Amino acid sequence: EAQVTQNPRYLITVTGKKLTVTCSQNMNHEYMSWYRQDPGLGLRQIYYSMNVEVTDKGDVPEGYKVSRKEKRNFPLILESPSPNQTSLYFCASSPSRNSYEQYFGPGTRLTVT
Amino acid sequence: AQKITQTQPGMFVQEKEAVTLDCTYDTSDPSYGLFWYKQPSSGEMIFLIYQGSYDQQNATEGRYSLNFQKARKSANLVISASQLGDSAMYFCAMREVDNRLAFGKGNQVVVIP
Repeated sequence: EAQVTQNPRYLITVTGKKLTVTCSQNMNHEYMSWYRQDPGLGLRQIYYSMNVEVTDKGDVPEGYKVSRKEKRNFPLILESPSPNQTSLYFCASSPSRNSYEQYFGPGTRLTVT
Repeated sequence: AQKITQTQPGMFVQEKEAVTLDCTYDTSDPSYGLFWYKQPSSGEMIFLIYQGSYDQQNATEGRYSLNFQKARKSANLVISASQLGDSAMYFCAMREVDNRLAFGKGNQVVVIP
């Protein structure tokens, strides 16, 4: 089944404790991205990647890191999480930068206390 | 400056009636894409419809159609014959040449029997 998976789905952590949210797709997609969703703000793009070893900042990259060492994986790293990073995070992928459809993962709900 | 504007408050619509969700956008790029996504209470993001800036015809997908008015920078979603399962948050989004994807804040729709 074609899908985008994220782990963990739910995470409660403390300020400053490094964490990684994994994202994996099995569709051989070139383009992957991360979003955060906050009430009243919609989804905002954090980082995106157009291919292996190519990543770019989105609209809200501060406090986040990403890597794209393999085509299928695009982990989101929070080196020192803070409470303002409490949010719902989505990973998405699409076949290429010009594709009109993005496949979203199920979301990761992160709480930083 | 906000690139995607969705300003309607939460909407109640009678089952089997049509509903129009407003979306206006702001861009100076000649090439861009417009999307609508549905997010039910379960949280997943579901792609509904896409309109390219050079497309001559309004996009349609089943009960969904996009009323694209380029000069007005408007991309309203029309859902015909509403069903109870259409109750959800709906997001308008735009992808520009630099490949960033910007989302609006969403419209809440509740379909009543």
